[in-house]
Amino acid sequence: KNEVEQSPQNLTAQEGEFITINCSYSVGISALHWLQQHPGGGIVSLFMLSSGKKKHGRLIATINIQEKHSSLHITASHPRDSAVYICAVRESGGGADGLTFGKGTHLIIQP
Amino acid sequence: DTGVSQNPRHKITKRGQNVTFRCDPISEHNRLYWYRQTLGQGPEFLTYFQNEAQLEKSRLLSDRFSAERPKGSFSTLEIQRTEQGDSAMYLCASSSSQGGHYNEQFFGPGTRLTVL
Repeated sequence: KNEVEQSPQNLTAQEGEFITINCSYSVGISALHWLQQHPGGGIVSLFMLSSGKKKHGRLIATINIQEKHSSLHITASHPRDSAVYICAVRESGGGADGLTFGKGTHLIIQP
Repeated sequence: DTGVSQNPRHKITKRGQNVTFRCDPISEHNRLYWYRQTLGQGPEFLTYFQNEAQLEKSRLLSDRFSAERPKGSFSTLEIQRTEQGDSAMYLCASSSSQGGHYNEQFFGPGTRLTVL
């Protein structure tokens, strides 16, 4: 059974700080998603990656397939970055498309 | 707005009643997913369609749950004889299989179900 673990569960930081959220998983995957969820429930896809590194604005996502680990970094954090960040993976090995999710990291950026 | 839409956004029902939710995916997306999220937890996969075919179902999808996508466009998720444990946010997502590849999933706003 695939397990997706995120750390930390909760993170409070000051505006401007560099933020790192970690995700580890236990089985082979074909893709990993980083998602952002604001209060009220809406989920926005930030990144989908299967190797290496992706960057979008102040957000950077990296993945190490051998170590089964991914990180999401936020540079120059801002209060509007406050949200729950969720890691989700699609297992490899044929056809299964349903994602397995971590429990999320609740991030609060204080002004 | 051309994103994924879900209706209703909120539903309050009494235990034992049946409820039905609707999801309209992004128009060119042939894949549609249903997930359930309880408070403080990450979402959990329920089921997945490619066009009108239901290709994958989680063991979470008990026989009280049924999902359809009759014309390969919108989908409905019905819960019969609701129980208090069914209270959750029900999320729909869609993606395309363009090029035969797995592509990014786009999520709807969700339907929040409360069973009294």
